[in-house]
Amino acid sequence: EDKVVQSPLSLVVHEGDTVTLNCSYEVTNFRSLLWYKQEKKAPTFLFMLTSSGIEKKSGRLSSILDKKELFSILNITATQTGDSAVYLCAVANQGGKLIFGQGTELSVKP
Amino acid sequence: DGGITQSPKYLFRKEGQNVTLSCEQNLNHDAMYWYRQDPGQGLRLIYYSQIVNDFQKGDIAEGYSVSREKKESFPLTVTSAQKNPTAFYLCASSMERGGSYEQYFGPGTRLTVT
Repeated sequence: EDKVVQSPLSLVVHEGDTVTLNCSYEVTNFRSLLWYKQEKKAPTFLFMLTSSGIEKKSGRLSSILDKKELFSILNITATQTGDSAVYLCAVANQGGKLIFGQGTELSVKP
Repeated sequence: DGGITQSPKYLFRKEGQNVTLSCEQNLNHDAMYWYRQDPGQGLRLIYYSQIVNDFQKGDIAEGYSVSREKKESFPLTVTSAQKNPTAFYLCASSMERGGSYEQYFGPGTRLTVT
């Protein structure tokens, strides 16, 4: 059975800290891995990763995929209170479905 | 303004009533999806459609039904057979049928059944 597991499930940090969120997967016919940010409403797209070892970066956020070890990490540097959200990892298979992890709830305290 | 719209934002129903959630997109996307989200859980796929007049069951299709008569529209009916219908429902669409392109989400409908 296809599975995506995120860790930790929740995390509390202070502004300025750096955080690393983890996503491991066991998915048949892997196609891509996606990260989303959800703030009490619809998830918004952050990154899509298809190749191992190539870092994707957007401002203070970055992500990398390891297809050999079947995991991805999402890094957020110099965290701000606006980064507080649930971060969702999802893996797309060849059939066109996204399999989501449980999410990591990040809380950034001032 | 391109995007996905869902209505209504909040919906309250009595147990035993069917209810239909609307999802419309003007992104010219082929594929559309319905997910359910419960507190502390990720998104679970209910139904998806990769082309007009065709759709497939997701992981938790029991108690739900859909139709895809137009490319832009993918309504979801929550029937009285769904045992725990109270949840946050999200509709999404993607450009490419294979799903390698990212899925874009609507704002969601929060359904409460009492």
